[in-house]
Amino acid sequence: NAGVTQTPKFRVLKTGQSMTLLCAQDMNHEYMYWYRQDPGMGLRLIHYSVGEGTTAKGEVPDGYNVSRLKKQNFLLGLESAAPSQTSVYFCASSGFGYTFGSGTRLTVV
Amino acid sequence: ELKVEQNPLFLSMQEGKNYTIYCNYSTTSDRLYWYRQDPGKSLESLFVLLSNGAVKQEGRLMASLDTKARLSTLHITAAVHDLSATYFCAVDITGTASKLTFGTGTRLQVTL
Repeated sequence: NAGVTQTPKFRVLKTGQSMTLLCAQDMNHEYMYWYRQDPGMGLRLIHYSVGEGTTAKGEVPDGYNVSRLKKQNFLLGLESAAPSQTSVYFCASSGFGYTFGSGTRLTVV
Repeated sequence: ELKVEQNPLFLSMQEGKNYTIYCNYSTTSDRLYWYRQDPGKSLESLFVLLSNGAVKQEGRLMASLDTKARLSTLHITAAVHDLSATYFCAVDITGTASKLTFGTGTRLQVTL
């Protein structure tokens, strides 16, 4: 099915470890986004991209980096994970509307 | 800075009752979305509201938009247990880049 695919679905990291979350979309959308969801706080925008090779900061960018080397992929990196980054991460892409991935549940211990 | 506020944050209601969830936002919006999220799942798109006075209905859910008041409502008619979920509104302002700002969500629990 066409849509947004996130990998991995679950991950446990130790404090200070690094990891990359991958988001892939097959809808030829220009815009892609990374959100995090914490209890009682809705979804907050981390970074977004308006096209291949471009990225921009969202509401809560600290501690994260992103890259959009190919139009279909948007990578979210944590260079040195902290417990405060324990969250559920959602990727989305937009054409007319928004399509969300299934999420990545990340726990930092 | 755009702010989106939803109320109530939690709603427990009996089957068969009606209720309304409110979504206020702080600046002019191009589009307003309503999503549903089940526990441990992703977001399911319910409605997109594009203009003042827009009303959309799907089953027991009806959404409306008043852009002058910067208010959207999600009305639940004769609630059933299957509607138990968390509902989010989100506002899209198209400027240099289109992106969604979410409300905090309303957790709806429909009891038998």
